[in-house]
Amino acid sequence: DIQMTQSPSSLSASVGDRVTVTCRASQSINVYLNWYQQKPGKAPELLIYGASRLQSGVPSRFSGSGSGTDFTLTISSLQPEDFATYYCQHSYSSPLSFGGGTKVEIK
Amino acid sequence: QVQLVESGGGVVQPGTSLRLSCAASGFSFSRNGMHWVRQAPGKGPEWVAYIRNDGSNKYYEDSVKGRITISRDNSKSTLYLQVNSLRAEDTAVYYCAKGKSDYSNYVFDYWGQGTLVTVSS
Repeated sequence: DIQMTQSPSSLSASVGDRVTVTCRASQSINVYLNWYQQKPGKAPELLIYGASRLQSGVPSRFSGSGSGTDFTLTISSLQPEDFATYYCQHSYSSPLSFGGGTKVEIK
Repeated sequence: QVQLVESGGGVVQPGTSLRLSCAASGFSFSRNGMHWVRQAPGKGPEWVAYIRNDGSNKYYEDSVKGRITISRDNSKSTLYLQVNSLRAEDTAVYYCAKGKSDYSNYVFDYWGQGTLVTVSS
């Protein structure tokens, strides 16, 4: 089974900051990597799929990159509504799995 | 617009069974693979099960195999999850999620609001 490891587990940042979250897969998953945002009490929402494809309706300040085992989610200029927890998820094969999450908090 | 509405959760005793439902609307249900994903309190999401659009293929997370069955009724646009021999570690919010059929059914592009299952004596 493929294990997903995210870092950091949490970070503090200010509005306007550039934020980077990293996800590593235990084996190569090509570009079968997706990113979700989750706010308290809500379901996760898809941000990025296929490592770098922006889901419809998601602001362009979100971007994704990477292939193989190492991936990055970048928020170019953090906005107040971006304070949330972010999860990566591989879609390479069953069983699917998520990373442990990165909580982005207000500095 | 896409809507997924889960129901059937509640407080149940260990060892009992439960069937969760997810009513879908706003898209062609019979053309989409569907998933159940759960999230224990304070933890990250955990994928549980997947069913192909026509019900011909089903996949399960290893820890729930043998206790959980995913099914669907395309005539009712409804997804189901049968959970047997419930354990404390099954306590979680259970979400149904739609596969992103225009790219990969293993990507979750829409989620329901979730239904809470609490296993406690």
